[in-house]
Amino acid sequence: GAGVSQTPSNKVTEKGKYVELRCDPISGHTALYWYRQSLGQGPEFLIYFQGTGAADDSGLPNDRFFAVRPEGSVSTLKIQRTERGDSAVYLCASRQTGTSSPNEQFFGPGTRLTVL
Amino acid sequence: AQSVAQPEDQVNVAEGNPLTVKCTYSVSGNPYLFWYVQYPNRGLQFLLKYITGDNLVKGSYGFEAEFNKSQTSFHLKKPSALVSDSALYFCAVRDLKAAGNKLTFGGGTRVLVKP
Repeated sequence: GAGVSQTPSNKVTEKGKYVELRCDPISGHTALYWYRQSLGQGPEFLIYFQGTGAADDSGLPNDRFFAVRPEGSVSTLKIQRTERGDSAVYLCASRQTGTSSPNEQFFGPGTRLTVL
Repeated sequence: AQSVAQPEDQVNVAEGNPLTVKCTYSVSGNPYLFWYVQYPNRGLQFLLKYITGDNLVKGSYGFEAEFNKSQTSFHLKKPSALVSDSALYFCAVRDLKAAGNKLTFGGGTRVLVKP
């Protein structure tokens, strides 16, 4: 079956521009997560959706970052006024919920964002 | 707050020798623990998890990990390493007492298996 997909795989933008990163979770997974992985570091949590609502957005670094999941499936991470420090790999993950055993998160290949 | 430490940036091992990647964690409640592997230019792949029960957990590709509550550790092991095991390994924890369902990852350990 299809895994988590993310588009684009690479995005190069200029400082100050707006970018959108897309995530298609595994079909039927109601939980969706965004993480950011800087070079040489582990992924850092950004935001978690349960269905359409953001259940935990405590990891968003500032108000330039925003994410939506309007229909409870595809999610878009939006970054306004990009800065060079936003350069990283943005990872999306999804997880099956509603079972008796807590399940692992399945990760997409990531979007590598480079802000020049 | 939950945290994970992977004390070794890199582990070098000869093919056929045992491999151990160390992980310690800190949570306020009971932990769920995970190991993921990352190959170049690819996403994280799930290896194994500890939720409850037997402290020795077996996972994919011959890997296993041992949960030690008293030492707050969850070291990853493989009895006989392969060159193809060379990759970046991440330990992660989810705190059952913490709000939300986020994973907190360690900084990663690069494993290099030499032929």
